[in-house]
Amino acid sequence: DIQMTQSPSSLSASVGDRVTITCRSSQALSGWLAWYQQKPGKAPKALIYATFSLPSGVPSRFSGSGSGTEFTLTITSLQPEDFATYYCQQYHSYPLTFGGGTRVEIK
Amino acid sequence: EVQLLESGGGLAQRGGSLRLSCTASGFIFGNFYMNWVRQAPGKGLEWVSSIDNSGYNTYYADFVKGQFTISRDNARNTLYLQMDSLRAEDTAMYYCAKGSSGYFYFFDDWGQGTLVAVSS
Repeated sequence: DIQMTQSPSSLSASVGDRVTITCRSSQALSGWLAWYQQKPGKAPKALIYATFSLPSGVPSRFSGSGSGTEFTLTITSLQPEDFATYYCQQYHSYPLTFGGGTRVEIK
Repeated sequence: EVQLLESGGGLAQRGGSLRLSCTASGFIFGNFYMNWVRQAPGKGLEWVSSIDNSGYNTYYADFVKGQFTISRDNARNTLYLQMDSLRAEDTAMYYCAKGSSGYFYFFDDWGQGTLVAVSS
């Protein structure tokens, strides 16, 4: 099974800050890595797929990068609506696996 | 607009059964893989099961293999999860998620979830 490790598990940031979240996989993913945003009491929402592609409607302040086993989600200029929990997920092979999540809180 | 509406959750006794349903609209249901993902209270996301567009191939997390059964009815645009021999640790919000197009797919649309609580 491919293990996904996210860091940090939580962070505090201010509106306007640049935020970076890291995800490491135990095996190479050939770029098949997605990021999701989840707000309290809500379903997750896809933010990034295939390492760096944005689904329609996702603001351009979100970006993804990485390769092999190391991946990054970056939020440039954090907005009030971005305070949420973020998860990475590999879809290279079954069982599909998620990282443990990163909670982004208001400083 | 893609819509996924889960139902069938509720309170079940340990060892009991529940059948979850997910009714889809806004896309050609029979063209996409479908999935179940769960989230225990205060915990992270956990993939449970997937089914290919025909319903012929199914995939399960080890912790539900032999206990849960995923199926679909493409004529009714509905995905199912039959949950048997329920345990306390199966208590979670269960989300239905649509797979994106392609052999390698991510979860591009999610339902609002249905809550399953297993009492001991």
